[in-house]
Amino acid sequence: EADIYQTPRYLVIGTGKKITLECSQTMGHDKMYWYQQDPGMELHLIHYSYGVNSTEKGDLSSESTVSRIRTEHFPLTLESARPSHTSQYLCASSEGWYNEQFFGPGTRLTVL
Amino acid sequence: DQQVKQNSPSLSVQEGRISILNCDYTNSMFDYFLWYKKYPAEGPTFLISISSIKDKNEDGRFTVFLNKSAKHLSLHIVPSQPGDSAVYFCAASRDDKIIFGKGTRLHILP
Repeated sequence: EADIYQTPRYLVIGTGKKITLECSQTMGHDKMYWYQQDPGMELHLIHYSYGVNSTEKGDLSSESTVSRIRTEHFPLTLESARPSHTSQYLCASSEGWYNEQFFGPGTRLTVL
Repeated sequence: DQQVKQNSPSLSVQEGRISILNCDYTNSMFDYFLWYKKYPAEGPTFLISISSIKDKNEDGRFTVFLNKSAKHLSLHIVPSQPGDSAVYFCAASRDDKIIFGKGTRLHILP
């Protein structure tokens, strides 16, 4: 069973606030990913990491930033949240040739 | 430009019958295809996958078919059960990245 955790599950904040979405996995996977998904839409890759100190931007441009100081931890930060950042954020990890990704439960962010 | 397309937003199937979910892709460089299942308020969970060198993969009630010439894959669920009601995402993989479709919401009717 996959062990990947995201906190908080739900977050409602005001415009201009700084927030960090947490993601942790206990599987020792090197690869980790952040996706953004709006209702009825596909998952869009916004950040990924192949290991410690490795971070790359994904296909969808995002104002968020990520860090990977430890293998198990891949937090996402928004310095100044805006209503356009309202979405669901999904964290995933994988290891292996076939790139099966294990997802966390997601954080639903609402910016007022 | 969508590289992975699921043209049916929703599908309703009678319990016990076969559910067929379809997916089309545009990039012939994809080397691996996956199906994920997602319940509300949860993250997607991996269901079944297929390598581009195969045309069929079966796992219990789930079978994925790949037609490379048509750039089309399908997921068959038989028999369909109430717990299969969820959103199903088709995905294609290349260079360690996965491209997802928009999903198809499957309703299993009693």
